[in-house]
Amino acid sequence: GAGVSQSPSNKVTEKGKDVELRCDPISGHTALYWYRQSLGQGLEFLIYFQGNSAPDKSGLPSDRFSAERTGGSVSTLTIQRTQQEDSAVYLCASSSRASGNTIYFGEGSWLTVV
Amino acid sequence: DQQVKQNSPSLSVQEGRISILNCDYTNSMFDYFLWYKKYPAEGPTFLISISSIKDKNEDGRFTVFLNKSAKHLSLHIVPSQPGDSAVYFCAAIIFGNEKLTFGTGTRLTIIP
Repeated sequence: GAGVSQSPSNKVTEKGKDVELRCDPISGHTALYWYRQSLGQGLEFLIYFQGNSAPDKSGLPSDRFSAERTGGSVSTLTIQRTQQEDSAVYLCASSSRASGNTIYFGEGSWLTVV
Repeated sequence: DQQVKQNSPSLSVQEGRISILNCDYTNSMFDYFLWYKKYPAEGPTFLISISSIKDKNEDGRFTVFLNKSAKHLSLHIVPSQPGDSAVYFCAAIIFGNEKLTFGTGTRLTIIP
């Protein structure tokens, strides 16, 4: 597609439930990133994919968070047993060397845990 | 450890004047620096970037300056326009690592 697409754009969930956030990167982009921004905070790195592998998972805040990428394209970020502190906007981004390594962001998935 | 710092959380500038947004970093290994602009309820949008081998990059009203010895970069917007009101994030990357490290952002408000 023309840009990075994320779904859902908004999600309200009850504490303890699992959520899945989806990202469709720009077609042909080999690198895919997940970031999050909590209220009043800066952008926090979560995980990075090159193709289907994740060389850097250092930002995942706990073992409740996991992410996968299939076919070198779509990625899913899963949060299990959500907690209120998980409320944030989750941003996906993609890049490729052909695009000069410029990283393009989606509009984010706004997660609220109540 | 905050490797990229934006020490001014907010900045107000008169329309038509110059806006200067500052960013400091601690890791001398960073290869590339980028500025992103973020409106409320939208994802960050890439604005301008600079390689560590350069000291200036200009694109229209936007100029980024890099002072490697001081580990400091700045974004100049001139003339400032009301549509420039947004949160600006500076970010840095080490090629091969591929992880963008962001500052905490500066909220720029342009006063008409």
